[in-house]
This record gives sequence, structure tokens and C-alpha cells, in this order.
Amino acid sequence: EVQLLESGGGLVQPGGSLRLSCAASGFTFSDYAMSWVRQAPGKGLDWVSAISGSGGSTYYADSVKGRFTISRDISKNTLFLQMHSLRAEDTAVYYCAKGHISGWYFYIDCWGQGTLVTVSS
Amino acid sequence: DIQMTQSPSTLSASVGDRVTITCRASQSISSWLAWYQQRPGKAPKLLIYKASSLESGVPSRFSGSGSGTEFTLTISSLQPDDFATYYCQQYNSYWTFGQGTKVEIK
Repeated sequence: EVQLLESGGGLVQPGGSLRLSCAASGFTFSDYAMSWVRQAPGKGLDWVSAISGSGGSTYYADSVKGRFTISRDISKNTLFLQMHSLRAEDTAVYYCAKGHISGWYFYIDCWGQGTLVTVSS
Repeated sequence: DIQMTQSPSTLSASVGDRVTITCRASQSISSWLAWYQQRPGKAPKLLIYKASSLESGVPSRFSGSGSGTEFTLTISSLQPDDFATYYCQQYNSYWTFGQGTKVEIK
């Protein structure tokens, strides 16, 4: 069974940093692209970042480009999202999500349960 | 960037109703469209991919159609579990979600 377990969310001050992790199991991690999707309170889904199965290709939404970095550790079956210069508008539940293929472009066939990031002073 | 627009934003319906949600793309995306269901407080769940392919385990009352710029998600007979928010998502050029359609009890 595919499982995605996010961690690392919490309360952070504006301008601060946070690193999210997503532990993956139940599939060959390097064979699938992965992504982070967020959802602000009461709002819709917002694609944040994606990384190919090999890790050689990455994508960032304009709203996070230059502030967030996606990476993956294939040896640990773990996806990361390093977030810097956090803003109030980054407050959201962040979902780790598995693509249906290794490359671009993919749909999401499995989602984690989400981790809440709150940016506030 | 490709924009996705869903209509309606909210839909009131009763158990047993046939429900249709529309999703329009700002440019052609061929059939590279997925539909997700999200129940309150839960993660989204894949229903349909490639515009009309039903994900394994999803009830057959859900169906998708369309290509190019116009797509529909149909629930043939609404069940209590189906009251949720539905999102379309294109994966033709990067990724974009529609704003969501909330299906509520009439």
C-alpha cells in the first residue's frame, strides 16, 4: 500500500524558514515524480513544486520561486521542501503527492494527509 | 500559463440526482485532465485521469468526458458520500487546478 507521511509543519514567524519532509513507502520511490500542493484555509488547491523521479527536473510556482527548494533522498525514500523567507500568504496545509509516472507531466494518484504551516508573528 | 475555470462554484443537489460539473481550459490541453474529490478535512482523492479514465476503485457512477478545452465530470446518481468539493487539474503544461466546485445537500 502506498503511503505518504508528511512532517515538519508548524508555526513560524514571517521571514523564517521551515523544512517539510515526506516519508514514502509502498512503491519504488525513484520511479515516480513527486510534488507539493498546498491549500490555504478555506481555499482551493495550489500547485507549489514538483520533482521528477530522477530528481533531475524541478518546477516551482512563481509565488515560491527563489524561496522554496524541492529535493528528494532516494536512499531514504523521502521528499523535502525547504522553505525560506516565509510570508503570511504561505500559510496552508501542505500535501505531499505522488505522480503517476517518473517524468513530466503527471497527475497525482496518491496524496499524504497534509501538514499545516502557519506563518504568523 | 493555462487557466482552469470550473462551473458552478457551488451546486445544491439531492441524493439520487444526476450532477454535472464543467471545467474549461484557457487553451487546448488535449485530454490531459484529472478530477479529484476532497471531503472536508481530508486529502484529495483521484477520481478520473486522462479526461475519461476511471481510477481503480472509484464507483462507476463517476464519469468524465471532453477534450481540448471543455470537460465535464458527471455523477449519475448522487450518494451521501459524494457531498464534497471537486477539482479539475490540467497536466498538459505544468499543472493547474480549477478553483473547485462544492456539491452540497439541497
